[in-house]
Amino acid sequence: KAGVTQTPRYLIKTRGQQVTLSCSPISGHRSVSWYQQTPGQGLQFLFEYFSETQRNKGNFPGRFSGRQFSNSRSEMNVSTLELGDSALYLCASSFGRGGKETQYFGPGTRLLVL
Amino acid sequence: AQSVTQLDSHVSVSEGTPVLLRCNYSSSYSPSLFWYVQHPNKGLQLLLKYTSAATLVKGINGFEAEFKKSETSFHLTKPSAHMSDAAEYFCVVSLSNFGNEKLTFGTGTRLTIIP
Repeated sequence: KAGVTQTPRYLIKTRGQQVTLSCSPISGHRSVSWYQQTPGQGLQFLFEYFSETQRNKGNFPGRFSGRQFSNSRSEMNVSTLELGDSALYLCASSFGRGGKETQYFGPGTRLLVL
Repeated sequence: AQSVTQLDSHVSVSEGTPVLLRCNYSSSYSPSLFWYVQHPNKGLQLLLKYTSAATLVKGINGFEAEFKKSETSFHLTKPSAHMSDAAEYFCVVSLSNFGNEKLTFGTGTRLTIIP
C-alpha cells in the first residue's frame, strides 16, 4: 500500500505570495492532519480534516487554511506569505478519528519564503 | 490540557551500548503516547505507541517504552545502539477520548551514535 504523498517536495516563494500544498493520504484513510515544523517552534498542529470537514484547528492565523476533497486528498493554502512561514509542512493520515489512531506521516513539503 | 517534555535535547551513546531517551507527559485524561523518529530530510516514522493496553510496549528496530502512570513517564529504550539509530526522536501525546485527535509533540531528542 502506498504511503502518504505530498507535493511539491520543495518550494521557494517570496513574501506576499500565496502557496498551495497537496497531500494524498494512504488509501482508505479518511482523516488528514497538517503540521508545521520549524527549528524554533518544533512541530505544531495546524488542522485536521475528516469527511471533508475541518474538525480541529491549531493556533495559527487565518492566512492558513485547508480543505479536503471527497477522495480524502487534502490541500493546505497559505496566503500573504511571511518570512516566518518558512518551514517543513507535514501531512499525516489515519483511518479514523480518535486519540488511539496511528497517524502516518508523509515526507513533507519544505517551503522557503524569501 | 496536554503537554509532553523531553528531558534531553541531545543524547550521545557509543555503538553497542544502551539507549535511554526520556519523556514525561501531562494529561488531564487517559493519554495515548507515541514515539516517532525522524531521519535527516525524511518524514516521521512511528516507532511504537501506548493506548492503555500493556504498559511495556515493543516497537520496531528493537525499541521499547514503558508507560509509568505514577511517574507520568514514557521513556524510550534500546539495549544496543546501532549507527542507523542516529536521528531525532519525538515523544507525542494524544488524548484517548474521541473528539480530540491533535498530537502534541515534545521538542525532540537528537540521538548521536559514536562509532
